[in-house]
Amino acid sequence: AQKITQTQPGMFVQEKEAVTLDCTYDTSDQSYGLFWYKQPSSGEMIFLIYQGSYDEQNATEGRYSLNFQKARKSANLVISASQLGDSAMYFCAMREEYNTDKLIFGTGTRLQVFP
Amino acid sequence: GAGVSQSPSNKVTEKGKDVELRCDPISGHTALYWYRQSLGQGLEFLIYFQGNSAPDKSGLPSDRFSAERTGGSVSTLTIQRTQQEDSAVYLCASSDPAGGSTDTQYFGPGTRLTVL
Repeated sequence: AQKITQTQPGMFVQEKEAVTLDCTYDTSDQSYGLFWYKQPSSGEMIFLIYQGSYDEQNATEGRYSLNFQKARKSANLVISASQLGDSAMYFCAMREEYNTDKLIFGTGTRLQVFP
Repeated sequence: GAGVSQSPSNKVTEKGKDVELRCDPISGHTALYWYRQSLGQGLEFLIYFQGNSAPDKSGLPSDRFSAERTGGSVSTLTIQRTQQEDSAVYLCASSDPAGGSTDTQYFGPGTRLTVL
């Protein structure tokens, strides 16, 4: 069964530093998509970045990049030049292409950025 | 354009009462999802609508939960005879499967349900 594991319940980073949030996944499908969402204290889920299983290049979106290691089944999120506004919960999620399009979410990592 | 909207933003109800939660997806999005997020947890899939296809109800936790989507747009999630364990944030998302390979789901602000 598909599963997402986020082993870091909480992370601290100093402003302007880079931080890596870990995500591993388990699936038997060859075609799938991986997503990262940010959830600030206000509660909305904000889409950050997407990586397809067949994408050869790591996805990047501004200060966000996804370190995709297919053989290890990991999809870590890297945030460069952290800002105070990056403090939030971060969720990794997976969608299997040949299953229903539902997302399977990890339990999240709470990131706190300090000055 | 407008994002996914949900109403009410907060709902407090007494155990045993029925509640209805509403979701208005992004215009043109044919896929609509409901998820539930219990305190401090990740999101749990509830139900999925895609166009005129039969919905995927595999995530509904009990027969007290039901959802409908009228006219391919607005959706209502109904919880009958609410229990305290139903207390959670209910999130709705929509996507445009024909819009590209990512088929990204965009979420609404959620409805926080508290059952006393």
